[in-house]
Amino acid sequence: QTVVTQEPSLTVSPGGTVTLTCASSTGAVTSGYYPNWFQQKPGQAPRSLIYFTTQKHSWTPARFSGSLLGGKAALTLSGVQPEDEAKYYCLLYHGGAQRWVFGGGTKLTVL
Amino acid sequence: EMQLVESGGGLVQPGRSLTLSCTTSGFTFGDYGMSWFRQAPGKGLEWVGFIKSKAFGGGTTEYAASVKGRFIISRDDSKSIAYLQMNSLKIEDTGVYYCNGDHGDVDAFDIWGQGTMVTVSS
Repeated sequence: QTVVTQEPSLTVSPGGTVTLTCASSTGAVTSGYYPNWFQQKPGQAPRSLIYFTTQKHSWTPARFSGSLLGGKAALTLSGVQPEDEAKYYCLLYHGGAQRWVFGGGTKLTVL
Repeated sequence: EMQLVESGGGLVQPGRSLTLSCTTSGFTFGDYGMSWFRQAPGKGLEWVGFIKSKAFGGGTTEYAASVKGRFIISRDDSKSIAYLQMNSLKIEDTGVYYCNGDHGDVDAFDIWGQGTMVTVSS
């Protein structure tokens, strides 16, 4: 069973920078895992932020960026705003029977 | 405005069937792959399966191991609707079900619906 691991929670001050990571139990995450990042606020549907590791949608704020970092997928928020407080999920493609697997999510608190 | 609206959720007994619909508007449905995701109460997101567009992905389907053989995803391009037929439902299938549209089948998971709640209970 493939497991995708994210930090359970992180706290950042307004205006600060924070990096969330996403690791796979199968090994180093590469672009071939097609990392996606989603934001979900309480009571709302998820919203797609990043696809193909680094690509942003037209609605993705410029302060969000995706990358690969130390064998993991990463989502960096630079100049964090209070409205960025949310849960962030990564999604990785593994092929085989499991196809797409989510991480458990990172609850980001802006304090 | 691009919209996806899920419907068909509700309370159903274990072992029974339920079909969800994802009615779309504001975009060319035939150019989009359609996925279903779910979220158990208080838990994280889970990919359920997808159906590729006929234009870009040949209309192929894939499913998560947890639902394979029980769930079927289909699409009616003439009506711009995607479906999730859920058979032999289990208590652990309870959750909010979201549909998602992916333009060009490029795995960007662009557009999300607001979700519909499915409760499997006796």
